[in-house]
Amino acid sequence: DAMVIQNPRYQVTQFGKPVTLSCSQTLNHNVMYWYQQKSSQAPKLLFHYYDKDFNNEADTPDNFQSRRPNTSFCFLDIRSPGLGDAAMYLCATQTRGGGAPEQFFGPGTRLTVL
Amino acid sequence: AQSVAQPEDQVNVAEGNPLTVKCTYSVSGNPYLFWYVQYPNRGLQFLLKYITGDNLVKGSYGFEAEFNKSQTSFHLKKPSALVSDSALYFCAVRDWAGANNLFFGTGTRLTVIP
Repeated sequence: DAMVIQNPRYQVTQFGKPVTLSCSQTLNHNVMYWYQQKSSQAPKLLFHYYDKDFNNEADTPDNFQSRRPNTSFCFLDIRSPGLGDAAMYLCATQTRGGGAPEQFFGPGTRLTVL
Repeated sequence: AQSVAQPEDQVNVAEGNPLTVKCTYSVSGNPYLFWYVQYPNRGLQFLLKYITGDNLVKGSYGFEAEFNKSQTSFHLKKPSALVSDSALYFCAVRDWAGANNLFFGTGTRLTVIP
């Protein structure tokens, strides 16, 4: 089945130690998103790629970076995780075009910062 | 600017009873409205969307939603709740069909009591 895959599902890191979260998709969608979700709150959009075009949300901290080497893969890099960065990180994809396509979400990676 | 309000943080309903999860929206143009469900430690799962046409939209797992333009609402409904429907529900809006971003409500936790 076509899907959005996130690895790992659970990630533990130490304060200040860089960490990379991975997302891959078999849907061949143009758009990929990274969201941060804390404590059952609404997902907060960090950035998204429209093909190779990177779009950063204005309030996304510089500590968060992203890479999209090809259509299928997208990475979230947290350069120096703080305790406040502990959250669920959700990757989503969407096809381009009209008709208001829905976003497809991966299962998420839960990040713990010690 | 667009926004979504989910006025109830928590909804409790007895198994077998009808359920309603409320959502109101604000957009400058025509609204494109979505409902997602999130089970514990999982990503968001698409339930249904309204683009245009019939005000009653049917979705997955027996859920439906009614678009009401005059009340700017898009309430989620199900005629007979199941214990397995217990989850976190998010309403989201996009203000034009080709936009990439979704704006999420704060979520409503639904608990179905056996």
